Amino acid sequence: DGGITQSPKYLFRKEGQNVTLSCEQNLNHDAMYWYRQDPGQGLRLIYYSQIVNDFQKGDIAEGYSVSREKKESFPLTVTSAQKNPTAFYLCASSIISSDTQYFGPGTRLTVL
Amino acid sequence: GENVEQHPSTLSVQEGDSAVIKCTYSDSASNYFPWYKQELGKRPQLIIDIRSNVGEKKDQRIAVTLNKTAKHFSLHITETQPEDSAVYFCAAPGHGGSQGNLIFGKGTKLSVKP
Repeated sequence: DGGITQSPKYLFRKEGQNVTLSCEQNLNHDAMYWYRQDPGQGLRLIYYSQIVNDFQKGDIAEGYSVSREKKESFPLTVTSAQKNPTAFYLCASSIISSDTQYFGPGTRLTVL
Repeated sequence: GENVEQHPSTLSVQEGDSAVIKCTYSDSASNYFPWYKQELGKRPQLIIDIRSNVGEKKDQRIAVTLNKTAKHFSLHITETQPEDSAVYFCAAPGHGGSQGNLIFGKGTKLSVKP
């Protein structure tokens, strides 16, 4: 788990602003994932990427965008189109897709 | 695609008792089943996993059993301690449109009372 970092830990956004959450891993994992977790709820998949320069939408991709230009990095942008973005965002990676996922420490986003 | 159901959603036990959480899956091709523990405000952490070529795996007080015929797998925690209190998630590989990621259950909130 120590090989996956997310920043910032806390993020505050005003309505109408786009924000980008960082996720970096030094585990040489091919696959990376973004999840959203609301209080007392489970994990909902936003986007995932099995390889550099390729990514797929998850269950709740609307209002979010990603890029995968480097193997180590999978940033998530929360756009102003996301109507209820306040949540805990978790990034994960795995050696190959559909295998053990290791999670970063998370970013807690609050819209003011 | 895969569908993972997890029960119960909440579980309260006395310290020292055993706790069992059960998950069912729908795709018979699934071959990997991890369990994660998430403490409040923290990241989910893998605690044990099992692959479809074995029926049971044990690690100290934690065990996972797999019944491929019935398509269910269970987490067993013996001699529970207050520090076992957390939310536990099961998962199974996605297939079809969900291929390439894990499908998570909705979680079980375990409370261990001293």
